[in-house]
Amino acid sequence: GENVEQHPSTLSVQEGDSAVIKCTYSDSASNYFPWYKQELGKGPQLIIDIRSNVGEKKDQRIAVTLNKTAKHFSLHITETQPEDSAVYFCAASRMDSNYQLIWGAGTKLIIKP
Amino acid sequence: NAGVTQTPKFQVLKTGQSMTLQCAQDMNHEYMSWYRQDPGMGLRLIHYSVGAGITDQGEVPNGYNVSRSTTEDFPLRLLSAAPSQTSVYFCASIFGGELFFGEGSRLTVL
Repeated sequence: GENVEQHPSTLSVQEGDSAVIKCTYSDSASNYFPWYKQELGKGPQLIIDIRSNVGEKKDQRIAVTLNKTAKHFSLHITETQPEDSAVYFCAASRMDSNYQLIWGAGTKLIIKP
Repeated sequence: NAGVTQTPKFQVLKTGQSMTLQCAQDMNHEYMSWYRQDPGMGLRLIHYSVGAGITDQGEVPNGYNVSRSTTEDFPLRLLSAAPSQTSVYFCASIFGGELFFGEGSRLTVL
C-alpha cells in the first residue's frame, strides 16, 4: 500500500524567510497530493493541492511542486508571517479511490519574530 | 452553514466503558469519514461512508463501529474503550476531493 514520509518534523524559520516541507510517496499510481494546515485546537484545512498532470501550482505565497519520477512533492511558503505557524500535513491518494488519503506525519512550522 | 460539528470536544472514559462520538454536517456531502490523530503518526482513517446506509472500514477499524442512517449524521461508537484508543478524533466530510474537518474530539481512556 501507499506510504507517505514527511520531513522535517519541526521547522523553525525567521519571519519573512521561506519555508520548505518535503514529502515522498511510494505508490506510483497516486495522482492527487493535497496539503493541509492545522492550527492549534482546530481540524486540518486544505490550503493547496496538486494533481499529477501538472508539476507546479501557486497560490499567492504558497506553492507546491511535484516530481512524479522521483515520487516526491514539496510545499513552499515564501515571506513567512506569524499566522503561518501551524502543523502542515501532506497526503497522497488515487482520485479513483474515493480520495482515501494516506497522510504524512506532519511538520510543525514555527515562525520566529 | 455550521460545516462539520463534533460532540463532545473532550471526554474521559474508564477502560471498558462505551461511548459515541457524534458528527453532523449540513453541507449535504455524501462522503464522510472518521480519523484518529496521534503524535508523530499523522491522520489514520478509521471508517468511512460513501452515502446513507453504506459504511466501510479504513486503516484502523478495530474497536470502533459506525452507522450512517442519514446523510447528515455519522456517529462513531467505541464499544469497550481501551487505553490505546486515547487520541484526538476528527470527523470529515468530502466534496470534490477536499476534506472538511470538524474541530475534533479529544478522548482519554484511563
